[in-house]
Amino acid sequence: GQQLNQSPQSMFIQEGEDVSMNCTSSSIFNTWLWYKQDPGEGPVLLIALYKAGELTSNGRLTAQFGITRKDSFLNISASIPSDVGIYFCAGQENSGNTPLVFGKGTRLSVIA
Amino acid sequence: GAGVSQTPSNKVTEKGKYVELRCDPISGHTALYWYRQSLGQGPEFLIYFQGTGAADDSGLPNDRFFAVRPEGSVSTLKIQRTERGDSAVYLCASSLNWGETQYFGPGTRLLVL
Repeated sequence: GQQLNQSPQSMFIQEGEDVSMNCTSSSIFNTWLWYKQDPGEGPVLLIALYKAGELTSNGRLTAQFGITRKDSFLNISASIPSDVGIYFCAGQENSGNTPLVFGKGTRLSVIA
Repeated sequence: GAGVSQTPSNKVTEKGKYVELRCDPISGHTALYWYRQSLGQGPEFLIYFQGTGAADDSGLPNDRFFAVRPEGSVSTLKIQRTERGDSAVYLCASSLNWGETQYFGPGTRLLVL
């Protein structure tokens, strides 16, 4: 099935560092979502973006909906050990009418 | 309140067997979704229900896969004649209405030997 291109695949960072990951698509999306998945759990929604150019924050997390509607990024500032996990981007081509398409994930490891 | 629950949490079966995976959505959520997540991949959409009806089953890989939601709440994903390639985590999610925030369950880890 169709998937988004998400990078990097994995990251090892020191506690306190900032993190940036992004997602691109060949298709235009009307909705971009960022999820975090912990081992043995389902994905949990972090941030939802509904408008091109939109910049949204949730605590230490900031995400942007690209102007071209074909990309999005997620930044995490001042990382802490509990940020460890797999982060997925997901897009929806027609808001409310098409299924979510997920990226392959970015595995984040934080070294204390 | 209770989140989405899925049973069993793990299922080991032999090639060719039939399996059923159950999803209990959040109470009152009208939309229910099934995804499959292979190792190292993101979730891939299988099917979604709005109420009792399957509104979009375009993600089901073949006719060995079938899902029901007879009373508009609990859903069962059924896989016939399982193959080793069916091994994956099967995730269920629900939302108050279609298009709204999806809440995921912990998944069922299926291993076909």
